[in-house]
Amino acid sequence: SQQGEEDPQALSIQEGENATMNCSYKTSINNLQWYRQNSGRGLVHLILIRSNEREKHSGRLRVTLDTSKKSSSLLITASRAADTASYFCATDRTGRRALTFGSGTRLQVQP
Amino acid sequence: GAVVSQHPSRVICKSGTSVKIECRSLDFQATTMFWYRQFPKQSLMLMATSNEGSKATYEQGVEKDKFLINHASLTLSTLTVTSAHPEDSSFYICSAREGAGDEKLFFGSGTQLSVL
Repeated sequence: SQQGEEDPQALSIQEGENATMNCSYKTSINNLQWYRQNSGRGLVHLILIRSNEREKHSGRLRVTLDTSKKSSSLLITASRAADTASYFCATDRTGRRALTFGSGTRLQVQP
Repeated sequence: GAVVSQHPSRVICKSGTSVKIECRSLDFQATTMFWYRQFPKQSLMLMATSNEGSKATYEQGVEKDKFLINHASLTLSTLTVTSAHPEDSSFYICSAREGAGDEKLFFGSGTQLSVL
């Protein structure tokens, strides 16, 4: 079953703008990860944040985690047309080897 | 990073036929692989966990006899959709961790199955 929801479901912005996606989950986690999926393709790992971390950066990506609210956000700064894709959060839960994915956000960056 | 190869990328078949999808870890050994299913514009739903040398673990609601999983070696897992029907049409993706302690998943490129 899905761990949680992401919002917005779809987001359309102009190149150069920032894009923020939110993810909520339901159970205790070891870590939360964000993945990117281009249409009709597999997923690519972007960034991982552990349950004892609050914020993490990687290039133009910034991830936050609030375990008290069971939520995370992914910020993509200075977006590019090539960032157009679907973005999924995934949770790594204690006692479960597979990741559980959120509902995803479809990002469209207009050139 | 690690590479997971999935084949075929697309298959169209007639209702009632069986389709085999292969998932290979190219530069690492994977004792465990995960099979997901994805409907258009939806999330990934875990179908089963494939374990090398033993039976796969299926998620609730996934028919074991319908979706046969074989993990005969440390680099190959196969998913066979038996007697496929139009409702089995979907995007199937496999994934694996590079090491037992690794936290992130590496994904194959997926297989789009269309059953006529």
